[in-house]
Amino acid sequence: QKEVEQDPGPLSVPEGAIVSLNCTYSNSAFQYFMWYRQYSRKGPELLMYTYSSGNKEDGRFTAQVDKSSKYISLFIRDSQPSDSATYLCAMAAQAGTALIFGKGTTLSVSS
Amino acid sequence: GAGVSQSPSNKVTEKGKDVELRCDPISGHTALYWYRQSLGQGLEFLIYFQGNSAPDKSGLPSDRFSAERTGGSVSTLTIQRTQQEDSAVYLCASRNSGEVYGYTFGSGTRLTVV
Repeated sequence: QKEVEQDPGPLSVPEGAIVSLNCTYSNSAFQYFMWYRQYSRKGPELLMYTYSSGNKEDGRFTAQVDKSSKYISLFIRDSQPSDSATYLCAMAAQAGTALIFGKGTTLSVSS
Repeated sequence: GAGVSQSPSNKVTEKGKDVELRCDPISGHTALYWYRQSLGQGLEFLIYFQGNSAPDKSGLPSDRFSAERTGGSVSTLTIQRTQQEDSAVYLCASRNSGEVYGYTFGSGTRLTVV
């Protein structure tokens, strides 16, 4: 079992839909959680981050962490074609150490 | 420059040849990370440099892979005797030690071994 599991999709939704992206993990020591967005032939860029359990909202994006279930989620409201990308979850046990990534979920939003 | 710069952006090499991939981190960033992204796979950690500390080499897949960081800035990832399974995108990230979440990635080097 990999430390971080993420359904690779692809996930196709119409413009305006609510998108839910998820990751599960096995290492209970993880406490730093991030979501990255990666466009084709580009490096990943940080989208959201949370520490330990809880929710965080930033515009159309909401990140949730449930440490008791070892489950993290990213919700995208009012999805736009420009949201079409690969979304990668990442996590670490200690600040600044190497991030452990999921495989990424490819999202396509059609207009 | 303002971002992490990697060169070359693309590299095609013959099986058995050695290759060097370069990463120029953001100025002042003390931490530098190398990752490998294969088709259909997530980012696989390779090696991590933090200041003058000994690097964390725990992710290097074999002794054909090595990396160095000179003067706490530029880093070079070397793959010796390349194999076809080494074909992947090699990504570099840097981070300011004061920013827990501030990992900034370059656009990567796409390596193809033929």
